[in-house]
Amino acid sequence: GENVEQHPSTLSVQEGDSAVIKCTYSDSASNYFPWYKQELGKGPQLIIDIRSNVGEKKDQRIAVTLNKTAKHFSLHITETQPEDSAVYFCAASKSGGSNYKLTFGKGTLLTVNP
Amino acid sequence: SQTIHQWPATLVQPVGSPLSLECTVEGTSNPNLYWYRQAAGRGLQLLFYSVGIGQISSEVPQNLSASRPQDRQFILSSKKLLLSDSGFYLCAWGGGGTEAFFGQGTRLTVV
Repeated sequence: GENVEQHPSTLSVQEGDSAVIKCTYSDSASNYFPWYKQELGKGPQLIIDIRSNVGEKKDQRIAVTLNKTAKHFSLHITETQPEDSAVYFCAASKSGGSNYKLTFGKGTLLTVNP
Repeated sequence: SQTIHQWPATLVQPVGSPLSLECTVEGTSNPNLYWYRQAAGRGLQLLFYSVGIGQISSEVPQNLSASRPQDRQFILSSKKLLLSDSGFYLCAWGGGGTEAFFGQGTRLTVV
């Protein structure tokens, strides 16, 4: 089955700096890669996603890049703000067939210091 | 629009007691439904998923079971809770190459 590795497990940055979180996946058939943000005591919420036919996607201060050959994808947050502090999860899945599962990384605790 | 309801938000149960957590989805039909657990760390462990009424797949052997009595209802149960069942339980729908939408979670403490 799919295995997703996520690094780093914790990340501390100063407000205004950039933050980068990296993930690798094992199943070359995976074609959907979402990123979730989880605030304390709440369920994860999707912040951005990318499909395997795209190499990069941006949404304001966040961007995701995908390298299919190397089987890794990254989340980039620019101009970080204290409200970006949360746990971030990457995930991978493949559409079609009988596989309906999202496989998650173990999460990155991001702390943005004012 | 689609919404997902999960309750209760918090629960404290004694060891050996039964458990029933309920999740319902609105605004969609025949959703894929999932139960995840977050233990002491931050990882999301998939417990069960369902692609239709009465169809349950278990990911890990454990003290829990799941049922889907209706299209948009997913229930997580246990006959006798263990201390190790404590954690944050999340219901979700979607997935399978598309976005998964999570409920707000249930914090279960077994004492």
